[in-house]
Amino acid sequence: GAGVSQSPSNKVTEKGKDVELRCDPISGHTALYWYRQRLGQGLEFLIYFQGNSAPDKSGLPSDRFSAERTGESVSTLTIQRTQQEDSAVYLCASSLQSGGGNEQFFGPGTRLTVL
Amino acid sequence: GENVEQHPSTLSVQEGDSAVIKCTYSDSASNYFPWYKQELGKRPQLIIDIRSNVGEKKDQRIAVTLNKTAKHFSLHITETQPEDSAVYFCALGGGSYIPTFGRGTSLIVHP
Repeated sequence: GAGVSQSPSNKVTEKGKDVELRCDPISGHTALYWYRQRLGQGLEFLIYFQGNSAPDKSGLPSDRFSAERTGESVSTLTIQRTQQEDSAVYLCASSLQSGGGNEQFFGPGTRLTVL
Repeated sequence: GENVEQHPSTLSVQEGDSAVIKCTYSDSASNYFPWYKQELGKRPQLIIDIRSNVGEKKDQRIAVTLNKTAKHFSLHITETQPEDSAVYFCALGGGSYIPTFGRGTSLIVHP
């Protein structure tokens, strides 16, 4: 079946502009995660969605970052007034059930470059 | 929250040698211990995982061992090949609904 997809694959924007990144999880996966990965670095947790529960936003680095998810489907990560330090690959992952005790399936990521 | 230390940060071996990467953790509630491989420019993918009721699991050239008493688990790769070159991440799950990832180990296998 289809895996996790993300769009766009690459995004170049100017400092101060807003960007919106999209994630389509695997159908039936109730848990969805967003991560940020700077060049040569590890995975930085941003936000977690589980079904219709309130999301865990504890990893969002500033109020310029926000995310939404429609039910158990598509999620969008929005970064307002982008800064150069926002440049990174943004990875989305989904898993079958809630909790950290299940395999995460990652999307290919969106490479964001802020000029 | 959970914390996991991963070592070494880089590992360079000759083709055919074995490679071992170790992760230590502090949260005794953790019960799921996956390992992900991320090739350059690609997404992380699960290569092997283990749950707390098992001490060792093998899949061809890779194995994971878990010592719950000492709170550490390790990835073992035998007969390394150049295509094993990648960044490997350990992770913790079960104690929290948000998995915790190690900082990664860059494995380089020299032909």
